[in-house]
Amino acid sequence: AQSVTQLGSHVSVSEGALVLLRCNYSSSVPPYLFWYVQYPNQGLQLLLKYTSAATLVKGINGFEAEFKKSETSFHLTKPSAHMSDAAEYFCAVSLNTGGFKTIFGAGTRLFVKA
Amino acid sequence: DGGITQSPKYLFRKEGQNVTLSCEQNLNHDAMYWYRQDPGQGLRLIYYSQIVNDFQKGDIAEGYSVSREKKESFPLTVTSAQKNPTAFYLCASSTLAGVDNEQFFGPGTRLTVL
Repeated sequence: AQSVTQLGSHVSVSEGALVLLRCNYSSSVPPYLFWYVQYPNQGLQLLLKYTSAATLVKGINGFEAEFKKSETSFHLTKPSAHMSDAAEYFCAVSLNTGGFKTIFGAGTRLFVKA
Repeated sequence: DGGITQSPKYLFRKEGQNVTLSCEQNLNHDAMYWYRQDPGQGLRLIYYSQIVNDFQKGDIAEGYSVSREKKESFPLTVTSAQKNPTAFYLCASSTLAGVDNEQFFGPGTRLTVL
């Protein structure tokens, strides 16, 4: 069975500091992995996705994530946090057979301190 | 602009009443989804539909109903049988052609039971 675990429901960083949001997955088949961002009272927006083309994936707003099969991880990073990065971030996994169900993690809320 | 619209943005319901949440997309996507979001629980799938006049239950379908009479529309009815309906509801859509199942989200409807 597939699952997604996001370590840390809340992460706080200072403006300009490294952002690291952790995501581990379990899947019996090679997964498709996603990071979505949600701003308050809005829908989710895709940040980036891993579809087996490259293990290091670059997304919007300076975010990137690295797929590590040996660690079953897909952590999200950004070298320098901006105040505008404050939001909730969701890691998600989908079957590579084009399955119609995507499993979302519980989310990590990112706080950015001035 | 292509996208997904949800209405209303805020909805208040008295106990014992049914309410219907609207979801419309003009992305020409075949698949549509309804999720419920509660704090700290991520997104949970209520119903999904891959084609007009067909839909499947998700993980928490009890107390909800849907219809898919048109490709662009996927309304969700929250019935009086749903014992704890206060939540943020998100509609999403995706193509069936892409194997990675990236989903596009609407802005959400916040339902409060009075």
